Amino acid sequence: EAGVTQFPSHSVIEKGQTVTLRCDPISGHDNLYWYRRVMGKEIKFLLHFVKESKQDESGMPNNRFLAERTGGTYSTLKVQPAELEDSGVYFCASSQERTNSPLHFGNGTRLTVT
Amino acid sequence: AQKITQTQPGMFVQEKEAVTLDCTYDTSDQSYGLFWYKQPSSGEMIFLIYQGSYDEQNATEGRYSLNFQKARKSANLVISASQLGDSAMYFCAMREGWAAGNKLTFGGGTRVLVKP
Repeated sequence: EAGVTQFPSHSVIEKGQTVTLRCDPISGHDNLYWYRRVMGKEIKFLLHFVKESKQDESGMPNNRFLAERTGGTYSTLKVQPAELEDSGVYFCASSQERTNSPLHFGNGTRLTVT
Repeated sequence: AQKITQTQPGMFVQEKEAVTLDCTYDTSDQSYGLFWYKQPSSGEMIFLIYQGSYDEQNATEGRYSLNFQKARKSANLVISASQLGDSAMYFCAMREGWAAGNKLTFGGGTRVLVKP
């Protein structure tokens, strides 16, 4: 089966610009997550979708971040306007509805805001 | 308070030797799961092993085993017979509660470098 796919793999933008990250989860996975790792720091949870519904968005840093999951399939994470501190690696993950089901991660999008 | 603590920021290990990566966790839930992930330099996150809080036996997956000490709230990863390809960052993570979709909380990671 195809894994979690993220696009783009890298993005370099200037402060104030907008960037949209895309994630295609593993087919059939209802759970979709976004995580972020800022340089040298821990991997931090951003939000969790169950199908098309936001289950938990407690990790979203502020209202410059907007996540959507159209029809319960792929998801997008938009940062508008981007700030310097938004630089980092954004991971998407998906999982099945089983207690011991691990999260399957994509390769991440490395975002650099200059 | 930190929910997941990995006290070893980095370590060297000789090829073919075993290495233990420490992980302690903090939760008041009775039901939880512990996960280990590997992140090589290429950047992807690779799931290695899972231990449920009610599992009576330590989890094993090939050369990976988990030394689960529930009373001490530790879930150390043991990699046996290290290989050069084991050089990577290793993350311990915890899912709290029964719900399968609950988020994972990650530790800060341990960087392992395997020496030939």
